[in-house]
Amino acid sequence: KAGVTQTPRYLIKTRGQQVTLSCSPISGHRSVSWYQQTPGQGLQFLFEYFSETQRNKGNFPGRFSGRQFSNSRSEMNVSTLELGDSALYLCASSLGGDNEQFFGPGTRLTVL
Amino acid sequence: GENVEQHPSTLSVQEGDSAVIKCTYSDSASNYFPWYKQELGKGPQLIIDIRSNVGEKKDQRIAVTLNKTAKHFSLHITETQPEDSAVYFCAASRRRGSYIPTFGRGTSLIVHP
Repeated sequence: KAGVTQTPRYLIKTRGQQVTLSCSPISGHRSVSWYQQTPGQGLQFLFEYFSETQRNKGNFPGRFSGRQFSNSRSEMNVSTLELGDSALYLCASSLGGDNEQFFGPGTRLTVL
Repeated sequence: GENVEQHPSTLSVQEGDSAVIKCTYSDSASNYFPWYKQELGKGPQLIIDIRSNVGEKKDQRIAVTLNKTAKHFSLHITETQPEDSAVYFCAASRRRGSYIPTFGRGTSLIVHP
């Protein structure tokens, strides 16, 4: 069974631009969560989607948004990029409920 | 909100030695404590987890202990091998699956052959 895939793997943007990251969960998984990983703040939860609905949200500004499609694929969007948004963005999928999360390899975003 | 402290930030051991990583949490309502291993260029991988109704759990060379009263939990790796070298994260949350985990800052474990 294929694992969680994230595209692109690397991305370079400039301040003020916007970016969209994509996550394809493991087949059959309906829950997708997003995390931001930085050396300064560590791993932080962004939000979780289940069956196209945002179920949980972390403490991030409104510039960070996401959505989930009917096939469970998810996208994360960051608008008006700031230098501090440079990070590894990780996606994790699960069957939902009380089941293990499986992480993708992440998208490395660099904001110049 | 929840706050998770993890120590040490770096741990260097010789192959065959044991390694211990410790975490403390602040929210007494947290009831699920997973540990993740992250290798270079990869996402975190769950290696073991423990719920608040259990004091200890083992899986081959890996064990986790939980002290609810003191609000701390630890990861123990015995007979370390070079392939154990990675960054390890602890986390705390109120439930598994649909949950908002709070992670520790990570421990970089280096196992010297």
